[in-house]
Amino acid sequence: ETGVTQSPTHLIKTRGQQVTLRCSSQSGHNTVSWYQQALGQGPQFIFQYYREEENGRGNFPPRFSGLQFPNYSSELNVNALELDDSALYLCASSLGGGRVSYNEQFFGPGTRLTVL
Amino acid sequence: SQQGEEDPQALSIQEGENATMNCSYKTSINNLQWYRQNSGRGLVHLILIRSNEREKHSGRLRVTLDTSKKSSSLLITASRAADTASYFCATDSDDTNAGKSTFGDGTTLTVKP
Repeated sequence: ETGVTQSPTHLIKTRGQQVTLRCSSQSGHNTVSWYQQALGQGPQFIFQYYREEENGRGNFPPRFSGLQFPNYSSELNVNALELDDSALYLCASSLGGGRVSYNEQFFGPGTRLTVL
Repeated sequence: SQQGEEDPQALSIQEGENATMNCSYKTSINNLQWYRQNSGRGLVHLILIRSNEREKHSGRLRVTLDTSKKSSSLLITASRAADTASYFCATDSDDTNAGKSTFGDGTTLTVKP
């Protein structure tokens, strides 16, 4: 069984640039959720993708966008980077659909984004 | 704003002692999860408790859930230095898809050898 992987591990960008972060879900999972974790805080839900469609979004502006591919891997794109976007970005995969709200989600190691 | 709030924010104990962390939340939930995070890395899932469960055990971990008080506690017994980490509670309210979780800001546990 392959776990959740994320790339890159670390990334440094300058304000105004765009960034793409990638996540490969655990084998058999069809749902990917993205979270932003600022230093010293808990993760905040950005959005979720289920079977290639956005399935819920947190309180993040439209410059945060995403994709999910047929193999259920996912990308998080952030445009017009701001200094406050510096954070650890986590993705988590789970098996969704039907009455499966008891299922666990499994997190990747995260991508540390620094915006200068 | 965060739904969950952990208490205390920081906890320092000696190896062998028990550690108790509490979590409160605001709205109705389907389940509540506890996670561990070491040094800003990915979160490790510890235990999930459903809204119709009151207590759950996993090894040295014991989790309770009181939906009437909208609170949960995580007890780590016989703590070890390796338990030093940040611990987060998270709640799920969605009926069909796990993962739209609302996290608290965590409890930082330090276990001194």
